[in-house]
Amino acid sequence: GNSVTQMEGPVTLSEEAFLTINCTYTATGYPSLFWYVQYPGEGLQLLLKATKADDKGSNKGFEATYRKETTSFHLEKGSVQVSDSAVYFCALINAGGTSYGKLTFGQGTILTVHP
Amino acid sequence: EAGVAQSPRYKIIEKRQSVAFWCNPISGHATLYWYQQILGQGPKLLIQFQNNGVVDDSQLPKDRFSAERLKGVDSTLKIQPAKLEDSAVYLCASSSFPGLAGEQFFGPGTRLTVL
Repeated sequence: GNSVTQMEGPVTLSEEAFLTINCTYTATGYPSLFWYVQYPGEGLQLLLKATKADDKGSNKGFEATYRKETTSFHLEKGSVQVSDSAVYFCALINAGGTSYGKLTFGQGTILTVHP
Repeated sequence: EAGVAQSPRYKIIEKRQSVAFWCNPISGHATLYWYQQILGQGPKLLIQFQNNGVVDDSQLPKDRFSAERLKGVDSTLKIQPAKLEDSAVYLCASSSFPGLAGEQFFGPGTRLTVL
């Protein structure tokens, strides 16, 4: 079946530090990959996505590249801000079989950025 | 554009009691999802509707959980009777169409505590 594994958290950084959150996946076929973010007290929001190998998704300074050879979709940001403090979820949708439209999530990574 | 609405935001019940959650998706969105998010884990799909028909309920504990979307718009999720392990955040999401390209928009969730 489909699965997503994220690096263990929590992650604590100082403002302007470089961020990497690792994500690897297991899926049959060619899934689409997503990063969702959950700010305190709010619902999940789509941060970025990539639908095929070598695609790069980007938004708000965050980037992630769909690497089929390593089955990875690592999230990066060059300079984090206090306002980036949130929980980040890696996820996939696989159109095959009975999982049409179903998002499979990783366990989430808590990011805290200090001034 | 109004987002996905959910109520109540918080609910505390005793085990063996029943509880119901309500979701109003974004206007015009045909696909509706209910996810369960246990603390420290990523959301897990419970049930997916396309209009008022069920597409996927393979992960729904049908002995105690039920869901309906009678007119293809609002949806309710019910638990009867509740168990301690049902303590979680219940997320509702909607999309204009299912599959890889249909972005899912999430509501703020209902936090359920079962004592």
